[in-house]
Amino acid sequence: QVQLVQSGAEVKKPGASVKVSCKASGYTFTGYYMHWVRQAPGQGLEWMGWINPNSGGTNYAQKFQGRVTMTRDTSISTAYMELSRLRSDDTAVYYCARNYDILTGYYGYWGQGTLVTVSS
Amino acid sequence: AIQLTQSPSSLSASVGDRVTITCRASQGISSALAWYQQKPGKAPKLLIYDASSLESGVPSRFSGSGSGTDFTLTISSLQPEDFATYYCQQFNNYPRTFGQGTKVEIK
Repeated sequence: QVQLVQSGAEVKKPGASVKVSCKASGYTFTGYYMHWVRQAPGQGLEWMGWINPNSGGTNYAQKFQGRVTMTRDTSISTAYMELSRLRSDDTAVYYCARNYDILTGYYGYWGQGTLVTVSS
Repeated sequence: AIQLTQSPSSLSASVGDRVTITCRASQGISSALAWYQQKPGKAPKLLIYDASSLESGVPSRFSGSGSGTDFTLTISSLQPEDFATYYCQQFNNYPRTFGQGTKVEIK
């Protein structure tokens, strides 16, 4: 079965960077884009972008352009999301999510979430 | 970016009630809309896709309708496990966007 397992919670200081991992299993990692979605405490869901694990190509939301980098390591079926120049309003749970298939735009599979806390 | 506006933002209802949540898009998105349920501390769970298709394993009391700019999620008879927050999401365009959520609470 498809599983997305994310790395553990992080606490960072303002201005630092954080790198969250998402290890995929149960399917061919390079066959499906990996998306990242975040959720600030008590707030809604916000799409950050995707990475094509096959080519490494990316598409970022304009809001995060210049601060986010999505990468992957196909040898261990893991996607990464790095966010730099962290601010307090980047405190959020970060999710990786996968479409059901390459033609669909909704998310049938989600990681368990990684809480990133930005605090001085 | 396409904005999705959900209404209401919250509602109180009793077990057995019929509940309707609306999602309005700032421009037409055909039927490229999904609905998710989220419980505290958990990832969202897909309920409905393509505006009206029921995800496998989701109870039939959940249904979706609409196309273009106006969409509805209906729970025909609210059950105790349905108390949660519900989000719509459009996948017609990038950036993908979500509604602000509707919290369904126990009356």
